[in-house]
Amino acid sequence: EAGVAQSPRYKIIEKRQSVAFWCNPISGHATLYWYQQILGQGPKLLIQFQNNGVVDDSQLPKDRFSAERLKGVDSTLKIQPAKLEDSAVYLCASSSVGFGEQYFGPGTRLTVT
Amino acid sequence: AQSVTQPDIHITVSEGASLELRCNYSYGATPYLFWYVQSPGQGLQLLLKYFSGDTLVQGIKGFEAEFKRSQSSFNLRKPSVHWSDAAEYFCAVGGGSQGNLIFGKGTKLSVKP
Repeated sequence: EAGVAQSPRYKIIEKRQSVAFWCNPISGHATLYWYQQILGQGPKLLIQFQNNGVVDDSQLPKDRFSAERLKGVDSTLKIQPAKLEDSAVYLCASSSVGFGEQYFGPGTRLTVT
Repeated sequence: AQSVTQPDIHITVSEGASLELRCNYSYGATPYLFWYVQSPGQGLQLLLKYFSGDTLVQGIKGFEAEFKRSQSSFNLRKPSVHWSDAAEYFCAVGGGSQGNLIFGKGTKLSVKP
C-alpha cells in the first residue's frame, strides 16, 4: 500500500512570495490533515478535511493560508504572501475515519528568507 | 483547553539500557492518547495508541505505554534500547469531536554505544 505522498520535499522562497504544497493521501482515506511543525515543536493542526469538506480550520491563518481538497482526494496548501515565521515543515496526514490512525507523509520543509 | 506536556527535551541513554519518556496531558474527558516517532527527514510513525480498556498498551518495535488517569500521564517505555531507536518522540492527545491531534513538543532520544 502506497503511503502519503507530498511534494515538494524542500522549498526556499523569499518573504512575500507565494508557495503551494501538494498532498496525495492513502487511497480510500476520507480524512486528510495538514499540520505545521516549527523547529523544536510538535505538529500543530492547520486544517482537517472530511472528503472534500472542511471540518476544522480554526488554527489556519486565513489571511495568508488557504487549502483545498478537490474531489475528496489530493489536496493543496497555499501560502500567500509568506512571512519569515512560516518557515516550518508542513506535514500531511490521512486516516480512514476520524480518530483512526493517522498516516503521515514525509513533509515539505519550507524556508522563508 | 487540551494540552500535552513532555517535560524532557532531550534524553541520552546507553544502548541496552531501559527507557522511559514522560508525557502528561490535560483533557476534560477520557482521552485518546498516542505516541509517535519521527526520524530525521521522515514523517511521523505511530508507535501505539490508547483508546480504552487495558491501561498497559503494547506497540511496535518493543515499546509499551501505561495510561494512569490519576496522574494524567501516558509514559512510554522500552526495556532495552537499540541504537536505531534514536529519534524524536511525540506524545499526542485526541482532541475535539473530529479526531484531530494535539501534540507535545517532543523528546529527542540519543543512544550512546
